[in-house]
Amino acid sequence: AQSVTQLGSHVSVSEGALVLLRCNYSSSVPPYLFWYVQYPNQGLQLLLKYTSAATLVKGINGFEAEFKKSETSFHLTKPSAHMSDAAEYFCAVSDPGGKLIFGQGTELSVKP
Amino acid sequence: KAGVTQTPRYLIKTRGQQVTLSCSPISGHRSVSWYQQTPGQGLQFLFEYFSETQRNKGNFPGRFSGRQFSNSRSEMNVSTLELGDSALYLCASSLGEATDTQYFGPGTRLTVL
Repeated sequence: AQSVTQLGSHVSVSEGALVLLRCNYSSSVPPYLFWYVQYPNQGLQLLLKYTSAATLVKGINGFEAEFKKSETSFHLTKPSAHMSDAAEYFCAVSDPGGKLIFGQGTELSVKP
Repeated sequence: KAGVTQTPRYLIKTRGQQVTLSCSPISGHRSVSWYQQTPGQGLQFLFEYFSETQRNKGNFPGRFSGRQFSNSRSEMNVSTLELGDSALYLCASSLGEATDTQYFGPGTRLTVL
């Protein structure tokens, strides 16, 4: 069965600092992995998707994630945080039927 | 292309009532999935409809049901509301393959008093 673990429910960084949000997955089949972002009172917006075409995936707003099979990880990074990046971030894996299984989410705060 | 739309955006009901939520997918998308988001349980899958048929179901009681119409629009119904049903209900649409990206609507915030 697929599962996702996000390490750290809250992450705080200073504006301009590196953003690193951690995600580990468990999957019995080659996974499709996603990062979504949720701003207050809004739905989920897709940041990026891993489909096995390349291990380093570039997404929107300067975010990228690297798939590491040996570590079963799919961590999200951004070199320089902006105030507008403050939001909740969700890592997800799709099961063979297409259902998304989400991690518990990481709330990112950005300090000026 | 218009995104996924959900109506209403906010809803207040009392225990024991029933409620119907609506979701209009992106044009051309044939699959609609529903998720419940709560602070305690996070994001949980309710069910998925494809071509008017329920194709996948999560672990929710039978009070939660849905349907899909021939134009791919979907409705979700919750009967005999309980306080614990208070949540953000999100729908997502996709083309229909298991590996396709799901695009989410803004959600319906349901409060049960």
